[in-house]
Amino acid sequence: NAGVTQTPKFRILKIGQSMTLQCTQDMNHNYMYWYRQDPGMGLKLIYYSVGAGITDKGEVPNGYNVSRSTTEDFPLRLELAAPSQTSVYFCASSYSAGGYEKLFFGSGTQLSVL
Amino acid sequence: KQEVTQIPAALSVPEGENLVLNCSFTDSAIYNLQWFRQDPGKGLTSLLLIQSSQREQTSGRLNASLDKSSGRSTLYIAASQPGDSATYLCAVPGYGGATNKLIFGTGTLLAVQP
Repeated sequence: NAGVTQTPKFRILKIGQSMTLQCTQDMNHNYMYWYRQDPGMGLKLIYYSVGAGITDKGEVPNGYNVSRSTTEDFPLRLELAAPSQTSVYFCASSYSAGGYEKLFFGSGTQLSVL
Repeated sequence: KQEVTQIPAALSVPEGENLVLNCSFTDSAIYNLQWFRQDPGKGLTSLLLIQSSQREQTSGRLNASLDKSSGRSTLYIAASQPGDSATYLCAVPGYGGATNKLIFGTGTLLAVQP
């Protein structure tokens, strides 16, 4: 049972480069999220989606873009990488927003921008 | 704005001890609270989810309590084992009360010494 799968696990970018972090889930969850985790800090919500075709900003969306064309996939796009985007990125999913659901996380992507 | 604090930031105990991890939140109007475990280089795993109407939840050697009025939750781990070593994070709904867009604490790094 795969759950939430993120690729790649590690990546080094040069300033100004672009890349897409991939996230897919096989649990038929409606809700998907992207968080970033900086050393010594809690996770911060970047973007989220409540279903295919619907996305919205979280707490720290600047410098990122997302799309949700299918229920399974929720890629995160970095257009012009900056050193401030060096972080560990986690994708997560949940079934509904009823207050009873648990979040399921991927194993993360460690990104360094040099 | 909801803020979540976890004290202590790190804790080291000998194997077999019972221990308590603390989580405080500033806005008591929450629907639920989740405790997560994070192993090094891995994603987060949801351990317990307490609804606002509940006072505690138990899973094996773990017991989580919730006191909304005081803005506090505790995670009690009985008879700790080296395999319990990990970072433990708590999270509450934020961003307008949405139950699944979580605000995380910075975590408590637990080391259980054999």
